[in-house]
Amino acid sequence: NAGVTQTPKFQVLKTGQSMTLQCAQDMNHEYMSWYRQDPGMGLRLIHYSVGAGITDQGEVPNGYNVSRSTTEDFPLRLLSAAPSQTSVYFCASSYSSGVYGYTFGSGTRLTVV
Amino acid sequence: GNSVTQMEGPVTLSEEAFLTINCTYTATGYPSLFWYVQYPGEGLQLLLKATKADDKGSNKGFEATYRKETTSFHLEKGSVQVSDSAVYFCALSGFRGGANSKLTFGKGITLSVRP
Repeated sequence: NAGVTQTPKFQVLKTGQSMTLQCAQDMNHEYMSWYRQDPGMGLRLIHYSVGAGITDQGEVPNGYNVSRSTTEDFPLRLLSAAPSQTSVYFCASSYSSGVYGYTFGSGTRLTVV
Repeated sequence: GNSVTQMEGPVTLSEEAFLTINCTYTATGYPSLFWYVQYPGEGLQLLLKATKADDKGSNKGFEATYRKETTSFHLEKGSVQVSDSAVYFCALSGFRGGANSKLTFGKGITLSVRP
């Protein structure tokens, strides 16, 4: 059981570069989310999706894009990386209602220099 | 909107001490409540959950009771171990699914247990 798989685990970008953080789940979960974790800030929601073809913004969406073309995949795109986007990024997925909790990936540690 | 407030940290305890980590929430309706744990260098793991008022979630010796009258979900453990050293997050998922189902987290608290 793979659960939620995030790639890459580590990444260093230069300011202005773009990249895509990958997230895939094999549990047929409808709901998927992206969070960033920063010291003293807890986890903040970037974007989320309640099903294929449906996405919406979370608390801190600026500078990020998402799409959900399949149930399994939910990539996060950084359009033009900035040092303020240095963070640890987590992808999570859940059954439709979220009542029973989300399963998290192991995270991507991103540094923008 | 929904929000979760956790007590300030960090917390340092001796092995076998009693642990309480306070968590209160603001939400409409009847949210589901969760405690997640993050061990050093790892992702978040669901520790326990409660989906309705007066439910008690429990796992690995940890317990928390969903108290709607005080909007609280405090985490307790009777005897902590060094292996419990981690960051603990309280979270809620809103009522009735849809966009309200996204998780809202507290800021987390770091627990260190000394031998």
